[in-house]
Amino acid sequence: AQKITQTQPGMFVQEKEAVTLDCTYDTSDQSYGLFWYKQPSSGEMIFLIYQGSYDEQNATEGRYSLNFQKARKSANLVISASQLGDSAMYFCAMREGRGSGNTGKLIFGQGTTLQVKP
Amino acid sequence: DADVTQTPRNRITKTGKRIMLECSQTKGHDRMYWYRQDPGLGLRLIYYSFDVKDINKGEISDGYSVSRQAQAKFSLSLESAIPNQTALYFCATSDQANADHYYGYTFGSGTRLTVV
Repeated sequence: AQKITQTQPGMFVQEKEAVTLDCTYDTSDQSYGLFWYKQPSSGEMIFLIYQGSYDEQNATEGRYSLNFQKARKSANLVISASQLGDSAMYFCAMREGRGSGNTGKLIFGQGTTLQVKP
Repeated sequence: DADVTQTPRNRITKTGKRIMLECSQTKGHDRMYWYRQDPGLGLRLIYYSFDVKDINKGEISDGYSVSRQAQAKFSLSLESAIPNQTALYFCATSDQANADHYYGYTFGSGTRLTVV
């Protein structure tokens, strides 16, 4: 069965430092997509970054990068130069399949709460 | 206006009551989803729909029902609410044509439901 695991329930980081949030996944599909979402205390889900299983380059979006290690089935989120506004819950998610045949269902990890210290 | 609107934003209801959570979208997406978020469990899929006539159970559908009244509207009902259905509920949409890309998913702001 497909599964996403985030083993860090809570993380602390000093402002302006980098932090890595871990995500491992399990799937038998050859084609899949990996997402990271941020959920601030207000509750909304904010998309951060996406990595397709066939993408050869690691995805980057501003201060966010995704360290994709396909053989190890890991998709860690790296936040560089942390800011106080980065304090939030972060979710890793996987979409099974790709293209017109996929169901579009997202499977989420348990989440990691990140606190940025001034 | 938001692309995906959930109503109500917050609701407190009593055990045994029937309650409906509503979701409407202006994205024109064909697929709609209901997720439930519980602390330590992440988001779990309750139901999803590919179009008005195609509705599917997700991981945790027991105790819930849904209705896709139109392409733009997808409602979630709790026929007889119980306290362990207290959670944050999200509606989401996706565009099949763009399902490989991040902008294929749009989440509503969530409905915080408390069953007492």
